[in-house]
Amino acid sequence: DGGITQSPKYLFRKEGQNVTLSCEQNLNHDAMYWYRQDPGQGLRLIYYSQIVNDFQKGDIAEGYSVSREKKESFPLTVTSAQKNPTAFYLCASSKSLPYNEQFFGPGTRLTVL
Amino acid sequence: AQSVSQHNHHVILSEAASLELGCNYSYGGTVNLFWYVQYPGQHLQLLLKYFSGDPLVKGIKGFEAEFIKSKFSFNLRKPSVQWSDTAEYFCAVNAPGGGNKLTFGTGTQLKVEL
Repeated sequence: DGGITQSPKYLFRKEGQNVTLSCEQNLNHDAMYWYRQDPGQGLRLIYYSQIVNDFQKGDIAEGYSVSREKKESFPLTVTSAQKNPTAFYLCASSKSLPYNEQFFGPGTRLTVL
Repeated sequence: AQSVSQHNHHVILSEAASLELGCNYSYGGTVNLFWYVQYPGQHLQLLLKYFSGDPLVKGIKGFEAEFIKSKFSFNLRKPSVQWSDTAEYFCAVNAPGGGNKLTFGTGTQLKVEL
């Protein structure tokens, strides 16, 4: 079955530690995205990538980093510089322009203790 | 920068009641519009989308939305809700020329009571 996988589902880290969230897709989509979901704030775009080896900052990129070395993978690192990292993180992918709908993964809930 | 407003944050309805969730966006040009739904414990999934053409769009599970350009609105409707429609609903906008970026509203939590 084609889809997007995110692992792990739940992640706990101590304050001050970097943590990397995994996102893999087998939909052959060129574009991938990372969003952060907080109660009452909807989804906010962290980073996105339209093509391998290229990515752009979204609206709330501070304290996060990404890489796009393979078409299928778009890992997100939450660094110690992120002031409020506890949140639900969603990965998505889509075909390239002209615009196509985004498909979402199941999400990773990160809790920083 | 474009923004999306969803005015109803929490809605509680009885089964068989009609539903209308408001969505307004701020962007003066051509837009692509979406409604996504997040059922408890499930992935965010697409309910319906509008790119062009007929402004009345029909989606899955009996949902529809109407694009009114003059009002910058894309309200979601369903004539008769079911308990299984309990979920969080998100309106989203993409402005062509802005890449594939989506701007989401803050979401509406719908609870349908038996």
